[in-house]
Amino acid sequence: KAGVTQTPRYLIKTRGQQVTLSCSPISGHRSVSWYQQTPGQGLQFLFEYFSETQRNKGNFPGRFSGRQFSNSRSEMNVSTLELGDSALYLCASSSVGTRDEQFFGPGTRLTVL
Amino acid sequence: AQSVTQPDIHITVSEGASLELRCNYSYGATPYLFWYVQSPGQGLQLLLKYFSGDTLVQGIKGFEAEFKRSQSSFNLRKPSVHWSDAAEYFCAVGTTGGGNKLTFGTGTQLKVEL
Repeated sequence: KAGVTQTPRYLIKTRGQQVTLSCSPISGHRSVSWYQQTPGQGLQFLFEYFSETQRNKGNFPGRFSGRQFSNSRSEMNVSTLELGDSALYLCASSSVGTRDEQFFGPGTRLTVL
Repeated sequence: AQSVTQPDIHITVSEGASLELRCNYSYGATPYLFWYVQSPGQGLQLLLKYFSGDTLVQGIKGFEAEFKRSQSSFNLRKPSVHWSDAAEYFCAVGTTGGGNKLTFGTGTQLKVEL
């Protein structure tokens, strides 16, 4: 079974631009979660989608948004990029609920100049 | 609000020595607890998890962890460390109210001396 894939793996943008990151979960998984990892703030939960609905949300500004498609693939979007948005963005998928293991993808490294 | 504290930012052990990584959590109910490992340039891999029942949990790669409610701790242990265990280790607490939302500690960077 293929693992969680994230595209692109690396991305360079400039301040003020917007960016879209993609995550393809493991086949059959319906839950997709997104995390931001930075040296200063560590790993922080962004949001979770389950069956195309946002089920949980972290404490991030509205510039961060996401969606999930009927095939469970998910995208996250960051508008009006700031330097502080430079981070590793990790996507995780799981079958259904909290007791199911979350499988993480390799991440997308976003650099904002 | 839930939180996780990993007091050790860096730990260095010799290969073959035992290892214990500390984790303390704050959560109102019985928590779901996890340990993940991250190698450079990689995503996170689950080592083990605790939901309920036996407080000593066995994981992959020879790791185990013990849940101690009285101390709000979930320390990770390994009796004999291998050089390939060098990585960053994260403790996390998950919500029990439905959905997947993990709150992570700041991580412990493990260095293994040969």
